Amino acid sequence: AQSVTQLGSHVSVSEGALVLLRCNYSSSVPPYLFWYVQYPNQGLQLLLKYTSAATLVKGINGFEAEFKKSETSFHLTKPSAHMSDAAEYFCAVSPSYNTDKLIFGTGTRLQVFP
Amino acid sequence: EAGVAQSPRYKIIEKRQSVAFWCNPISGHATLYWYQQILGQGPKLLIQFQNNGVVDDSQLPKDRFSAERLKGVDSTLKIQPAKLEDSAVYLCASSLTGGGYGYTFGSGTRLTVV
Repeated sequence: AQSVTQLGSHVSVSEGALVLLRCNYSSSVPPYLFWYVQYPNQGLQLLLKYTSAATLVKGINGFEAEFKKSETSFHLTKPSAHMSDAAEYFCAVSPSYNTDKLIFGTGTRLQVFP
Repeated sequence: EAGVAQSPRYKIIEKRQSVAFWCNPISGHATLYWYQQILGQGPKLLIQFQNNGVVDDSQLPKDRFSAERLKGVDSTLKIQPAKLEDSAVYLCASSLTGGGYGYTFGSGTRLTVV
């Protein structure tokens, strides 16, 4: 069964530093991969999605993610962190082309220090 | 466009009581989902509707949880009787049909069972 693993439940960076949030998927290539962000007391907001059109995916708020089949990874990056990026980030996979069901990772909480 | 509406935002009940949550998806979105997000975990799918039919309810604890989407628009999720372990945020989401679009989530209902 498809699954995703997010390494690091908490990540702390300084404002202006590189943000790197890690996500690895299970060995079979999933059709779709997603990153969602959740701000306190809010629902999840779609940051970006991989649908096999391009391995480097650009999302909102300056985030991007690169699909690497050889590493079974879909890490999320942002060149320069902003205080407003502090939130919980979830990687998710759609296990097949025949379903819209999403399987989420356990999340990574990003803290940004001034 | 209007987002996914959920109510109530917060609910506190005693164990063994019943509770109901309401969700109104984005207009035109045929697919509706209920997810359970326990503190410190990623969201877990409870049930998926396509119009007013159930597509996937394999992880819904049917002895105590029920959900309906009678007219293919809004939906209710009920818990009866509630247990302490049901304390979580219940997220409703909707999407266009076809996979790969990603969801639009509501703000969720935070349930505390005491």
